[in-house]
This record gives sequence, C-alpha cells and structure tokens, in this order.
Amino acid sequence: DVKVTQSSRYLVKRTGEKVFLECVQDMDHENMFWYRQDPGLGLRLIYFSYDVKMKEKGDIPEGYSVSREKKERFSLILESASTNQTSMYLCASSWRRGTDTQYFGPGTRLTVL
Amino acid sequence: QKEVEQNSGPLSVPEGAIASLNCTYSDRVSQSFFWYRQYSGKSPELIMSIYSNGDKEDGRFTAQLNKASQYVSLLIRDSQPSDSATYLCAVGDGTSYGKLTFGQGTILTVHP
Repeated sequence: DVKVTQSSRYLVKRTGEKVFLECVQDMDHENMFWYRQDPGLGLRLIYFSYDVKMKEKGDIPEGYSVSREKKERFSLILESASTNQTSMYLCASSWRRGTDTQYFGPGTRLTVL
Repeated sequence: QKEVEQNSGPLSVPEGAIASLNCTYSDRVSQSFFWYRQYSGKSPELIMSIYSNGDKEDGRFTAQLNKASQYVSLLIRDSQPSDSATYLCAVGDGTSYGKLTFGQGTILTVHP
C-alpha cells in the first residue's frame, strides 16, 4: 500500500513565525506535490517536485518555499506565516509516468493567529 | 488556464438510487482522468481512474469518458449513506510531472 505521511495533523502558529510542514512517502515516487484546500476554492497547487532538489512553482507559490533533499521527503516552508495562510495543506506523490495517479497524505490543518 | 468544471451540487439521492456526477474539462490534450472521494476533514482518496473513451466499472462505481465532448462522469449504483462525501474530478496534464487540475468538487448526500 502506498503511504504518504505528514508531520502534523493540526498546527497552530503565530503571525510572522517560520513554519515547516513535512511530507514523507514510502513508494519511491519521483513526483511530490503540495496543495492547499480552502472552502469554495478547491485544491490549489502550491509547488511540486519531480526529482531530488528539483522544484517547480504551482498556481499559488507566493509566500511559500519548498525543499526536497531526499527522494522520499518534501517540505513546505512558510517563511513568515500570515493569517491568510490558515488552511488545510495536503501533500501528494506519484510515479513519473503517464498515469499520473496521485496519492494523498492525511493533511495538516494549519491555523495562523 | 486549464479548467475542470463539476456539476455544482450539492446532490442528494435516496439510498439505493443511482448518483450521477459530471465533469467537463477544457484541455483537449488531457489523457488521464480521476475521481477522488473526500470525506469531511479527511484527505482525497482515489476511487477510479480512466484513460480511454467508454465505460470503466469497479463494483458499484462506473466512470465514463468521452474525449470528443471533453466530458467525464461517475455513476454510483445502489448508493449508500457511506457514499456521502465530496467527489473531486481531476484531469492530468499528460506530462511526466503528473500535474492534476481538480474541479471544485460535488457534495453528495445519500439519505436513508
């Protein structure tokens, strides 16, 4: 079974804090993704990575950065958290082939006060 | 901008009925199509994937794809209260990056 894990299910941070969200997958997937999900806005892609140290911006990268130092781990960084970054953050991974099936982690609900 | 549109919902069906969920997409080169189910407070889980025109059946679920009409649908037969969830349609971009564009989701409620 594919397993994608995320470091926290719930996280509360203060405005201006640096926040790290971690994602680990155990299926040797090349591709990894970070999304945020907000009511009425659906799933929006923040960043993705197709290999170690390789990253590409998604649709809403502003205010975020990512790091992929090992194939199994993909981190999302909020450099200076703001209240409008309060959201559900979902990590996903997939193999690098045409089928594109993405497998999701359990999500991290982040609240920025 | 690639777009994926789902029927707005929410959709309410009685137990045992057929639920029909619809999705249209704008990018003609799309080759892979997915239906995910998401329970409240949980992450999306894959129900079906479909790549060729026609129907694909898996238990009570049938996915239908019509690339000429840029249309994909999901039928749930013998709907159960446990099927109550948000259903997300996703369309692949056809590259090795495996990017998906998701629809807004349709909320389905199956009432006893």
